Amino acid sequence: DAGVIQSPRHEVTEMGQEVTLRCKPISGHDYLFWYRQTMMRGLELLIYFNNNVPIDDSGMPEDRFSAKMPNASFSTLKIQPSEPRDSAVYFCASRPAKEVTEAFFGQGTRLTVV
Amino acid sequence: EDQVTQSPEALRLQEGESSSLNCSYTVSGLRGLFWYRQDPGKGPEFLFTLYSAGEEKEKERLKATLTKKESFLHITAPKPEDSATYLCAVPGVNSNSGYALNFGKGTSLLVTP
Repeated sequence: DAGVIQSPRHEVTEMGQEVTLRCKPISGHDYLFWYRQTMMRGLELLIYFNNNVPIDDSGMPEDRFSAKMPNASFSTLKIQPSEPRDSAVYFCASRPAKEVTEAFFGQGTRLTVV
Repeated sequence: EDQVTQSPEALRLQEGESSSLNCSYTVSGLRGLFWYRQDPGKGPEFLFTLYSAGEEKEKERLKATLTKKESFLHITAPKPEDSATYLCAVPGVNSNSGYALNFGKGTSLLVTP
């Protein structure tokens, strides 16, 4: 398996523009997670899905952020409008439905909003 | 609220100089404690899961241990290639549908030749 695949790897955009980050989880994994990593706050959970259904979005910073999972093999995280404080590395991770098991991370998308 | 605290924030070791990283947690009903390694520009990579106090797991120069309040990642005779950020995480509480991992801020380890 190719692992969790994220695109793009790097994104530079101007303040106010819409940004869409993409993720393909590992085939057969029932859970998909979106995290954001910054130096100040570390790795923060934004939202996660179980079988394509959003379970907990309490980590989404504000209404400018939205996430979707239209099918088992694809998810998007959208920021509209983007702001400089959104600059961070965004990670997608997935895991199977087994009771307690590790999550597998993608390589991340480094977002810079100027 | 579940909390995961790692110390030190940064650690610099000479090659061959053994040391330990600490992860303390406050969570009711621990269901597992996870250690990850993260290299610059990459996503976290899974190392170990510990499920109960007293449990130990080893991988090459790394050994993870778990007590009721904390976990240690012992690094024996480290090499420069062990340089990375080490993250620990615990499952958050979710009443209905599974869980997500809550991460500490990590320990940045630098091993010099």
